[in-house]
Amino acid sequence: GQNIDQPTEMTATEGAIVQINCTYQTSGFNGLFWYQQHAGEAPTFLSYNVLDGLEEKGRFSSFLSRSKGYSYLLLKELQMKDSASYLCAVSSQAGTALIFGKGTTLSVSS
Amino acid sequence: GAVVSQHPSWVICKSGTSVKIECRSLDFQATTMFWYRQFPKQSLMLMATSNEGSKATYEQGVEKDKFLINHASLTLSTLTVTSAHPEDSSFYICSSPGSGNTIYFGEGSWLTVV
Repeated sequence: GQNIDQPTEMTATEGAIVQINCTYQTSGFNGLFWYQQHAGEAPTFLSYNVLDGLEEKGRFSSFLSRSKGYSYLLLKELQMKDSASYLCAVSSQAGTALIFGKGTTLSVSS
Repeated sequence: GAVVSQHPSWVICKSGTSVKIECRSLDFQATTMFWYRQFPKQSLMLMATSNEGSKATYEQGVEKDKFLINHASLTLSTLTVTSAHPEDSSFYICSSPGSGNTIYFGEGSWLTVV
């Protein structure tokens, strides 16, 4: 079956660093996406990993280990506006729909 | 650039009526459209996959006669919720794959059935 796990909720303070983990078990693998979603809005693309390693993009970085079925999203220098839901999604095959995890709600406090 | 335009953003309808949600691709041809549903504090759940000119493929547990999907052209896919009930109240969103690993999402539609 297809399964994607990530923590339900996380809290952090402004300026801190937070790591959101995601583990997956899918029938195939064609890349892993991270999205940010504010309540009532469409997901916003953050990152895409298809090869092992770390992808850095400004304050956000994403890591992938295909052998472990594991990824994490690292958010640095947290800001209040980073409070949102973060969705881990896997593409099992090119052209097919993404499989989403349940999302991690991140609350950033001052 | 390429986007998917989804309408309406918000809709309120009475129980028993039908409501149509449209997703239009701008500046690209949406051969495939994925339709998702998201209940509060839950993730996006795939409802169906539609391909232009053919019948949609529905996920297990999704009633094809209740959620009618039409994808008659390369730029328009529609989802019609028929005989809507309060439990159908949800956030509906479409997405279409672009070139490479690009995926375009519509803006989403909030449906409230009263």
